[in-house]
Order: sequence, then structure tokens, then C-alpha cells
Amino acid sequence: GAVVSQHPSRVICKSGTSVKIECRSLDFQATTMFWYRQFPKKSLMLMATSNEGSKATYEQGVEKDKFLINHASLTLSTLTVTSAHPEDSSFYICSARDGTSGMFGEQYFGPGTRLTVT
Amino acid sequence: LAKTTQPISMDSYEGQEVNITCSHNNIATNDYITWYQQFPSQGPRFIIQGYKTKVTNEVASLFIPADRKSSTLSLPRVSLSDTAVYYCLVGDIGRDDKIIFGKGTRLHILP
Repeated sequence: GAVVSQHPSRVICKSGTSVKIECRSLDFQATTMFWYRQFPKKSLMLMATSNEGSKATYEQGVEKDKFLINHASLTLSTLTVTSAHPEDSSFYICSARDGTSGMFGEQYFGPGTRLTVT
Repeated sequence: LAKTTQPISMDSYEGQEVNITCSHNNIATNDYITWYQQFPSQGPRFIIQGYKTKVTNEVASLFIPADRKSSTLSLPRVSLSDTAVYYCLVGDIGRDDKIIFGKGTRLHILP
């Protein structure tokens, strides 16, 4: 099946620094990628949708200047958390949609990245 | 995207069949029903998808009544490793692009 990877799997950073998280589709081309955030015992919250070669679409309440998303190729999207603060500590998950598939639900999720801001 | 309602949590025992029901009263004609499974500190994993009647794969069965206002995910003979959160999602294959997750059902399997 289709595989989506994320790097790093865990990261600890100091308050005020920026952190970049990569999301890669390993064996398919992803025209669209999605970024989610998940707090402990809570559901996934969609942050933004990114389409290759265009600007990301952010969900209401998500600061686009704080969470920079770049989708420069059909296999890579990055999420940069700028000037991170402890409240940004969370589990960040990306998903990728196979560009050849028209099925809702044919999205493949990455393993997630645990961000801890100290 | 149709709103869905699921039980917050369920407990069951190893070897039992578990049925998780999801209500989606506002399901639209073109909407499909999809279930995902999520283990702690992992991304969600696709389990099954259906439109009507019954769908079965190697992992689960999905039962959808004629009015499609609800659906039931059935997990046969569960084991401890089936302890996870299960999400029911309803959407239009041809139109919807993003997935919005509800609260899900936290299934706890006991020995």
C-alpha cells in the first residue's frame, strides 16, 4: 500500500526557535497533502490543506504566519512551526492524497511527529 | 461533510465481536462512509469504506441500513491489539477533499 513518512518522529526545541517537519509520499504522487494537530486524548484537528505548487489553505483559527507550509513537489510537504512556544507542543500528523485516486478516504496518513517545546 | 455521532468509549473482552455504531442523519446522496483506526502516537489507518448494505474485508465489516442514516463497524473476535480510537467519517467522494475528524470512539479491549 501507499506509504507516507514523516521526519523527524520526535523533536524537542526551545521556546522561540523554529522547527521544520517533513512529510513525504514514498511510492505515489500526492497532489494534495494535509496537516493535522492532535492534543492528548483529543481528535485530530485539520490545520491546513496544501496543493503542490500553490499556497496552502488554512482552517479557521490557524495562524498561517506561525505554521508555514510548503508543498514544493508532488512527494514532499513541509510544516514549519515558527517561534515555537510550549502551547505548540503537540502531535503533528500529515496525510497525502494519491493524485490518481478520486476516492474520498483514499488518503494515507504519516506516523506523526511529536513536538515538545521547552 | 455530514456530522457524525459515535459513542465516546466502549469496553469489550478478547474474543468478542465488537460493534460500533455511528449516526449520520444528514448524510447526502453522494456521501460514502469511511472508518479509520488510530493507535496511540500513530497516524490514523484506513479500515473500511462503504456506500450501502454490507462491506467486508479482512479486518472488519461495515453494515449500512437502507436509509443510510447510521452505520455499524463490526470487528470480529477482537484482541488486545484492537484497543484504539475508531473514527467514522462521512463525505462525498467526488467533491470533498479534506477529512474532518469527529471525536471518535475509544475502544478498550480487556483480557
